Amino acid sequence: GAVVSQHPSWVICKSGTSVKIECRSLDFQATTMFWYRQFPKQSLMLMATSNEGSKATYEQGVEKDKFLINHASLTLSTLTVTSAHPEDSSFYICGWGRNTEAFFGQGTRLTVV
Amino acid sequence: DAKTTQPPSMDCAEGRAANLPCNHSTISGNEYVYWYRQIHSQGPQYIIHGLKNNETNEMASLIITEDRKSSTLILPHATLRDTAVYYCIVRVAIRTGNQFYFGTGTSLTVIP
Repeated sequence: GAVVSQHPSWVICKSGTSVKIECRSLDFQATTMFWYRQFPKQSLMLMATSNEGSKATYEQGVEKDKFLINHASLTLSTLTVTSAHPEDSSFYICGWGRNTEAFFGQGTRLTVV
Repeated sequence: DAKTTQPPSMDCAEGRAANLPCNHSTISGNEYVYWYRQIHSQGPQYIIHGLKNNETNEMASLIITEDRKSSTLILPHATLRDTAVYYCIVRVAIRTGNQFYFGTGTSLTVIP
């Protein structure tokens, strides 16, 4: 149980384009979800937290207009990196919070060229 | 921000117990301690969590000090597949739910 599917697992895009990352909980429902990014040899940095049906709460320093989060349902959320630039290249990880636990996807490696 | 500090790296001989320490001296009374691990280029994998009492499951044991200011994750018989970065996390409760802030983690290398 508690399987999180993140898609795509990797993506390469041109600078200036937008990329959408999808995160689904396959066998459970959860109201809270998280988006993280991770640079090489660094820890996961929380970008934002969202509850189904509400606007996401972004961490300090994370631009909400650049990283659009849509929390459509109890099993689906998307992160759109708008007008991506090379400095947005990173490993993006989603997570779902259910009761006292959190379950994470396998990550999406974004490379902006 | 993360409320935990961990040593950056540790080695452990295969088959021996791996003891990973974590300090969380500012933990509040109702905040849980969680442990996750991350194998290279994958998402974090849940290991165990606890509040006050020691906990054990099929993967590991969690020992929490009486004052709750530190804890130790124990992998009883480390294997090569346990090589990973281990994160100790204090779950923070906010108005809209719980948040998980990852610290810098401990890179555990299991040596044959």
